[in-house]
Amino acid sequence: EVHLLESGGGLIQPGGSLRLSCAASGFTFSYYAMTWVRQTPGKGLDWVSVISASGHSTYYSDSVEGRFTISRDNSKNTLFLHMNSLRAEDTAIYYCVRDHFDSGTRSGDSFDYWGQGTLVTVSS
Amino acid sequence: DVQMTQSPSSLGASVGDRVSITCRASQRISTNLNWYQQKPGKAPKLLIYTASTLASGVPSRFSGSGSGTDFSLTISSLQPEDFATYYCQQSNYTPRRFGQGTKVDSK
Repeated sequence: EVHLLESGGGLIQPGGSLRLSCAASGFTFSYYAMTWVRQTPGKGLDWVSVISASGHSTYYSDSVEGRFTISRDNSKNTLFLHMNSLRAEDTAIYYCVRDHFDSGTRSGDSFDYWGQGTLVTVSS
Repeated sequence: DVQMTQSPSSLGASVGDRVSITCRASQRISTNLNWYQQKPGKAPKLLIYTASTLASGVPSRFSGSGSGTDFSLTISSLQPEDFATYYCQQSNYTPRRFGQGTKVDSK
């Protein structure tokens, strides 16, 4: 059974840094691209970043480009999101998501498994 | 970036009703459109991919259609467990934008 478990969320002051982790199990992690999607409490879904299966390709939304870094350790079946210069508008539940394909940008892809999310609150 | 617009934003329905939600893309995206269902306090769940293919385990009362810029999700006979928020998402371009969501609640 596919399982994605996020950790690392919490309360952080504006301008601070945080690292989210996502431990994957139940599938061959190195075969799939992985994505972070966030959701402001009570609001809609916001695509944040994707990393290819190999880790060689990464993409970011304009709102986090230059501040967030996605990475993965395929030997440890773990996905990361390094978040710097955090702002109040980054407050959200962050979901770790498995892509159906390996590239992360292939047309026709879908998000077939989601973790339960970790809450990041940016506030002074 | 491709923008995704869903309508309505919310709708009230009763068990047994036929429910339809529409999603419009600001650019043509072929059939690269997915639908997700989210219940309160839970992560979203993939419902339909490539516009019309049901994800594993999804009941046949759900169906999707459309191509190009206009898409729809239909629930043929609403069940109690279907009260939820539904999101469309395009997978033709990066960033993979979502629609703003449609909340289906009890009339």
